[in-house]
Amino acid sequence: AQSVTQPDIHITVSEGASLELRCNYSYGATPYLFWYVQSPGQGLQLLLKYFSGDTLVQGIKGFEAEFKRSQSSFNLRKPSVHWSDAAEYFCAVGVHKAAGNKLTFGGGTRVLVKP
Amino acid sequence: DGGITQSPKYLFRKEGQNVTLSCEQNLNHDAMYWYRQDPGQGLRLIYYSQIVNDFQKGDIAEGYSVSREKKESFPLTVTSAQKNPTAFYLCASSLGGYEDTEAFFGQGTRLTVV
Repeated sequence: AQSVTQPDIHITVSEGASLELRCNYSYGATPYLFWYVQSPGQGLQLLLKYFSGDTLVQGIKGFEAEFKRSQSSFNLRKPSVHWSDAAEYFCAVGVHKAAGNKLTFGGGTRVLVKP
Repeated sequence: DGGITQSPKYLFRKEGQNVTLSCEQNLNHDAMYWYRQDPGQGLRLIYYSQIVNDFQKGDIAEGYSVSREKKESFPLTVTSAQKNPTAFYLCASSLGGYEDTEAFFGQGTRLTVV
């Protein structure tokens, strides 16, 4: 069965500093990978996705992620963090099965931004 | 505006009662999903439906039931058999099809058992 691990439960970063969130997945085939962001009490918003092709993916809000097949990783990065980036971030892997498609999520990483 | 509407935003239930959470989408998506979110556990899939009148159990379906009588609606019933129903519930939809798993989410319903 597929699984997603986000090793960091909490990350604190200063405003203007760089941010990297780790994501490791386990899946037997080529994965479809996603990063979502969630503000408190809200739904999830898609930041970016990887289906195929270029392994460096650009997303919204200045985020990017790099797919590394050899490391089974899909880490999210942002060069300079803004206070509005404080939120919870979820990595997910998309799975295709005969019964339909579904997403499996990691446990999330909560990001706190210091002024 | 197209999107996914979940109602109510907050819901309180007495122990032993069934309660139904509403999810409506006007995105013309074939696939719909229900997730449960608990602190530190990410999102766990309860049920999903790829087409009208068909649905499959997810990873934590026990104590829940769903129906898919219309393309735009996918209500979730939390039954009295669900031992720990207090959680944040998220509904999502996607176009469906073999290569599409990008999901769009509603704003969630917070259910509290009192």
